[in-house]
Amino acid sequence: DAKTTQPNSMESNEEEPVHLPCNHSTISGTDYIHWYRQLPSQGPEYVIHGLTSNVNNRMASLAIAEDRKSSTLILHRATLRDAAVYYCIRWGDDKIIFGKGTRLHILP
Amino acid sequence: DGGITQSPKYLFRKEGQNVTLSCEQNLNHDAMYWYRQDPGQGLRLIYYSQIVNDFQKGDIAEGYSVSREKKESFPLTVTSAQKNPTAFYLCASRATGIPETQYFGPGTRLLVL
Repeated sequence: DAKTTQPNSMESNEEEPVHLPCNHSTISGTDYIHWYRQLPSQGPEYVIHGLTSNVNNRMASLAIAEDRKSSTLILHRATLRDAAVYYCIRWGDDKIIFGKGTRLHILP
Repeated sequence: DGGITQSPKYLFRKEGQNVTLSCEQNLNHDAMYWYRQDPGQGLRLIYYSQIVNDFQKGDIAEGYSVSREKKESFPLTVTSAQKNPTAFYLCASRATGIPETQYFGPGTRLLVL
């Protein structure tokens, strides 16, 4: 039970913004929302995380809904190197569960 | 350079054989994890350990065993009881106490001969 729901795949054009959605309707008040991405044949890498407020870092932005039941990972200007599987994870206890994620395709 | 190393990168197992996958970290992290990933699938948790000499089963522990004798090391043994071991195995670690990021190793791909 991944406890999050993401689309299986998405497509975007290079150099355009990408919005990756995630639903986590049963999230508890103390669960953080983490995003990771995985390139082919590599381990996942951390992208961003947040609790209630929107967050920005050099890789992406995270927009969290006011009720915290959903969030959106925003890549401001997609490049071909951003093609990967993106995982949205509820992070509240020691068992960190990855779902199937969203496979992002970037079109040149 | 701090990080997680896994070895070997590729491992071949014969029928009925036990094999051990290595995972070492020099990040001084308390918690360590083993995941299995099948083609086109997400990661499934095999075992995790929050502290030395302690570990818990994840969702798919049958046919696997682990030990945590040192903070830096969390080896995974794939036993002959695991009938379908071909997969990509990922080790991860994180510091406990606050929600922190998980750091992953490069993975070991296990193939059955």
